[in-house]
Amino acid sequence: GAVVSQHPSWVICKSGTSVKIECRSLDFQATTMFWYRQFPKQSLMLMATSNEGSKATYEQGVEKDKFLINHASLTLSTLTVTSAHPEDSSFYICSARRSSNQPQHFGDGTRLSIL
Amino acid sequence: AQTVTQSQPEMSVQEAETVTLSCTYDTSESDYYLFWYKQPPSRQMILVIRQEAYKQQNATENRFSVNFQKAAKSFSLKISDSQLGDAAMYFCAYRRGSGNTPLVFGKGTRLSVIA
Repeated sequence: GAVVSQHPSWVICKSGTSVKIECRSLDFQATTMFWYRQFPKQSLMLMATSNEGSKATYEQGVEKDKFLINHASLTLSTLTVTSAHPEDSSFYICSARRSSNQPQHFGDGTRLSIL
Repeated sequence: AQTVTQSQPEMSVQEAETVTLSCTYDTSESDYYLFWYKQPPSRQMILVIRQEAYKQQNATENRFSVNFQKAAKSFSLKISDSQLGDAAMYFCAYRRGSGNTPLVFGKGTRLSVIA
């Protein structure tokens, strides 16, 4: 089946640093990748939709300069949290899809803790 | 905008019994998909079952089945012969059938299974 790999699974860093999270589709080419954020005991909130070779589309309220998304190839998308602060601590999940009529496959998520 | 509502924040079921999780959605589209995802404590998102709106027949996957009522915009999940491993958060999700659209999630229902 389709596999999406997300790395790292857990990261702890100091306030003010930037953190990059990678999302890879291992056995298929993903024309579209999605980034979600999940607070404890809450649902997944869509942050942005990323298409290969074009700029990401951000949801309302998500700062594009804070959460940089790059989808440089059909198998890799990255989310960079710039100048991270404690309020950015959360669980981030990526998801990838081969085409619009195909299922969305999820990575295992990244737990980000900013001290 | 499409919305997904799960009115049961928490549910519990005795092992080997049957439980039904509720989900309603709001859309003006005629072509769409509905999903149930399971998120265990590991926080991995696991697809449980999927339903195409154009199909009248309710989807089933082993012990999992749905009751899809299109006119009422209702999509409930029935888990039969509940097992301890079924304990998890369950999210109902909607996706428009056409275009590059993401999954939209409900707030989730936490299911406990009592031995």
